[in-house]
Amino acid sequence: AQSVTQPDIHITVSEGASLELRCNYSYGATPYLFWYVQSPGQGLQLLLKYFSGDTLVQGIKGFEAEFKRSQSSFNLRKPSVHWSDAAEYFCAVAGYGGATNKLIFGTGTLLAVQP
Amino acid sequence: DTEVTQTPKHLVMGMTNKKSLKCEQHMGHRAMYWYKQKAKKPPELMFVYSYEKLSINESVPSRFSPECPNSSLLNLHLHALQPEDSALYLCASSQDPRGGVNTEAFFGQGTRLTVV
Repeated sequence: AQSVTQPDIHITVSEGASLELRCNYSYGATPYLFWYVQSPGQGLQLLLKYFSGDTLVQGIKGFEAEFKRSQSSFNLRKPSVHWSDAAEYFCAVAGYGGATNKLIFGTGTLLAVQP
Repeated sequence: DTEVTQTPKHLVMGMTNKKSLKCEQHMGHRAMYWYKQKAKKPPELMFVYSYEKLSINESVPSRFSPECPNSSLLNLHLHALQPEDSALYLCASSQDPRGGVNTEAFFGQGTRLTVV
């Protein structure tokens, strides 16, 4: 069965420091992977997505993610965190062929940014 | 226009009330979704409409009744809810629920529902 694991429930980084949020997936075929961000009480905003091709994908707000098939991972990175990046981050995998009616979310990582 | 618009933003209702949540998108998407999100949890899928037909009901209680009047609109009718139904209700849309290139789900800002 498909699943997504985000091992870190809560991460705190200092402003200006680098960030890496971990995501591991379980899926039998080529996965369609997404990272979403959610500010408190708000909806989800898509940061980036991976379907195929280049395994390093660039997203909005300076985020990038790298797909590593051998490790079943899709970790999110940012070289320098801003205070406005404090939010909840969700990794998600779509169903076969990217079927979004089978979108499965990880449990989320809450990012806090220290001044 | 890449927006999914949800109204109202906040809703407080009694357990005997009837209310409706509304969702609208003008991206030409043919799949629309309702998700429920409790605090500190990921969104949980409730319903999927594909080409204006209900294609998935994730065993949601009948006090939640979805409706898709046309390809741009999605409603969620609420009746006789319980306090445990209090949550953030998110609407989303995607180009084609079956997937393919450029498939991704766009989410609205949600309706914060409180049942008293």
